[in-house]
Amino acid sequence: DTAVSQTPKYLVTQMGNDKSIKCEQNLGHDTMYWYKQDSKKFLKIMFSYNNKELIINETVPNRFSPKSPDKAHLNLHINSLELGDSAVYFCASSHSSTHRGPSGNSPLHFGNGTRLTVT
Amino acid sequence: EDKVVQSPLSLVVHEGDTVTLNCSYEVTNFRSLLWYKQEKKAPTFLFMLTSSGIEKKSGRLSSILDKKELFSILNITATQTGDSAIYLCASGKAAGNKLTFGGGTRVLVKP
Repeated sequence: DTAVSQTPKYLVTQMGNDKSIKCEQNLGHDTMYWYKQDSKKFLKIMFSYNNKELIINETVPNRFSPKSPDKAHLNLHINSLELGDSAVYFCASSHSSTHRGPSGNSPLHFGNGTRLTVT
Repeated sequence: EDKVVQSPLSLVVHEGDTVTLNCSYEVTNFRSLLWYKQEKKAPTFLFMLTSSGIEKKSGRLSSILDKKELFSILNITATQTGDSAIYLCASGKAAGNKLTFGGGTRVLVKP
């Protein structure tokens, strides 16, 4: 199936631990993203990579470190987890974010999310 | 700071009703307005609008953008229970494909 897939689906862990979430897309896109969705359903961008190069880095604690080994993968590592990190984390991909054209933005294709619960 | 506000927060309708969802935005270097539907998991793309006054239509869903008044509406006619979801709108900037999402409108369609 062509898709954006992320693992794990659920992650329950204790404060202070370090965890990783993996994401892979086989849509042939060259831009990938991490979004965080809080309990009020606001989706906020965290990071964006275009062809393994970091292009968007929002105000995110440096405990969060993305890594893109190639343009089909974007992983998220979180150090020293805190209660406030509990949320659903969505990976997404799109065609090139550097495209300039009249046709508008490149729609994002989202993975199914990873629900992180920090206790 | 870029801002996208959706209204209402939630609504409950019966099958066959028509719903209208609102999205207003304040974005620098605006490029396009996107609508997504989120059921249990991943948001799925519905529409992208770049020009004022041109309606986009897909089945019972339609959407229009007003770039002067900085808003968009999403209409769903003859609603079905399968339309129950959170509908998200997002504004896209001209550079970097950065999308700013609103908080969504939760729609519940009762049989």
